[in-house]
Amino acid sequence: AQSVAQPEDQVNVAEGNPLTVKCTYSVSGNPYLFWYVQYPNRGLQFLLKYITGDNLVKGSYGFEAEFNKSQTSFHLKKPSALVSDSSLYLCAVSPPGYSSASKIIFGSGTRLSIRP
Amino acid sequence: SQTIHQWPATLVQPVGSPLSLECTVEGTSNPNLYWYRQAAGRGLQLLFYSVGIGQISSEVPQNLSASRPQDRQFILSSKKLLLSDSGFYLCAWTSGGFTDTQYFGPGTRLTVL
Repeated sequence: AQSVAQPEDQVNVAEGNPLTVKCTYSVSGNPYLFWYVQYPNRGLQFLLKYITGDNLVKGSYGFEAEFNKSQTSFHLKKPSALVSDSSLYLCAVSPPGYSSASKIIFGSGTRLSIRP
Repeated sequence: SQTIHQWPATLVQPVGSPLSLECTVEGTSNPNLYWYRQAAGRGLQLLFYSVGIGQISSEVPQNLSASRPQDRQFILSSKKLLLSDSGFYLCAWTSGGFTDTQYFGPGTRLTVL
């Protein structure tokens, strides 16, 4: 079965330090990979996505993500965390193709907390 | 530019009452539309999606239904709400399929008492 996992419910980082939010997936073929951020009681906002090409994808607000095919991972990173980065981050995977089985799958989310 | 609206923003309903949540998209044509439910502020569960007027695909069997009466309007309904229907409901659109970036509405917080 196709799945996506965010193994950490919560990540705590001091402001100014680098941050990593982990995401691994189990999908056949070459999937499309996404990161979204959700602020309290708000809809999700798109951060970045990987389709093909360079394994390092740059997105909004200084975030980037690294696609690693051998480890089936797509970890979200930022070199220097800000307090305003504190939020819920969701990884999503969409299998290739447009069949009825090709649905987007969201991870359970990781709550990122940046302390001043 | 494209915008997506949802209403109401919050809703408190008694068990057994009907439900109607509305989602509209502006600034685009022929969008793919999606309804998600988010429980306990975590992951999203895809409920329904639609690739065109009158075309609805259901992902999770339950007492909810969806309709798309117009190109840019997507409605989530129930005849009789259950306690388990409480949650945060999100509407989203894409210009293509699931491999496209999804753009989400602000959501509706539903509490069933």
